[in-house]
Amino acid sequence: KQEVTQIPAALSVPEGENLVLNCSFTDSAIYNLQWFRQDPGKGLTSLLLIQSSQREQTSGRLNASLDKSSGRSTLYIAASQPGDSATYLCAPYTGFQKLVFGTGTRLLVSP
Amino acid sequence: NAGVTQTPKFRILKIGQSMTLQCAQDMNHNYMYWYRQDPGMGLKLIYYSVGAGITDKGEVPNGYNVSRSTTEDFPLRLELAAPSQTSVYFCASWTGASGNTIYFGEGSWLTVV
Repeated sequence: KQEVTQIPAALSVPEGENLVLNCSFTDSAIYNLQWFRQDPGKGLTSLLLIQSSQREQTSGRLNASLDKSSGRSTLYIAASQPGDSATYLCAPYTGFQKLVFGTGTRLLVSP
Repeated sequence: NAGVTQTPKFRILKIGQSMTLQCAQDMNHNYMYWYRQDPGMGLKLIYYSVGAGITDKGEVPNGYNVSRSTTEDFPLRLELAAPSQTSVYFCASWTGASGNTIYFGEGSWLTVV
C-alpha cells in the first residue's frame, strides 16, 4: 500500500525566502506525481505534473523534482510571497491512475 | 467549459438520513473519482470509475455507493448517514492520458449531526 509523507508539516517564513517542501512515498512503482495547492475552504489547484519519464518540471517560481528510485519528490519555491500561503499536497499516481495524497505542508509567508 | 461541477456545496444531514452528492464534468473524461478529506488530513479515495458502467472501490468505500450511467455524471450516494461521514468531498476527473492533469471540483462540505 502506498504511503505518502510530507515534511515539514508546517512552515512559517518571511517573504523572499527560497523554500523546499519534501515528499516521500513508499512504492516507487508510480506513473506520475502531481503537486497541488489548497487554499483554506477551497478545492485543489494543480501546480505541477511530473511524468514518470521526467525528472523535473518548472512553472514560474516553482520547480518540482522526482526521484522514483529513492521515492522522493521536492517542490522548490523561489522568492516566496504572502500569496504563496496555502497547503501544498503531493500525490503520486498508482494503479488505475489513482492518486494517493500526503497530509500536506501548511505554508505561511509573512510580509 | 465548466470543468468539474459539484452540488451541493454545503449540506447538513441528520444521522440516518440519506443523500446524493452530484458530480458532473464536461471534458469527456473517462476517469472519475470521489475523495474525502477530513480536517488536517490528506484526501482518501472512496470510489472511482474508468468509464460509463464501470466503478470500483477505493480505500474507504464503506457507507457509500456510486453509479456511472453516463460519461459526464458520477453521483455519490450516502446511505444512513453517520457522524463519521462528516467531511469535505471532492470529485475529480481525468482523461487517462499520462501527460494530462487531473481536475478537481470545488468540494462539498457535509456535516452529519
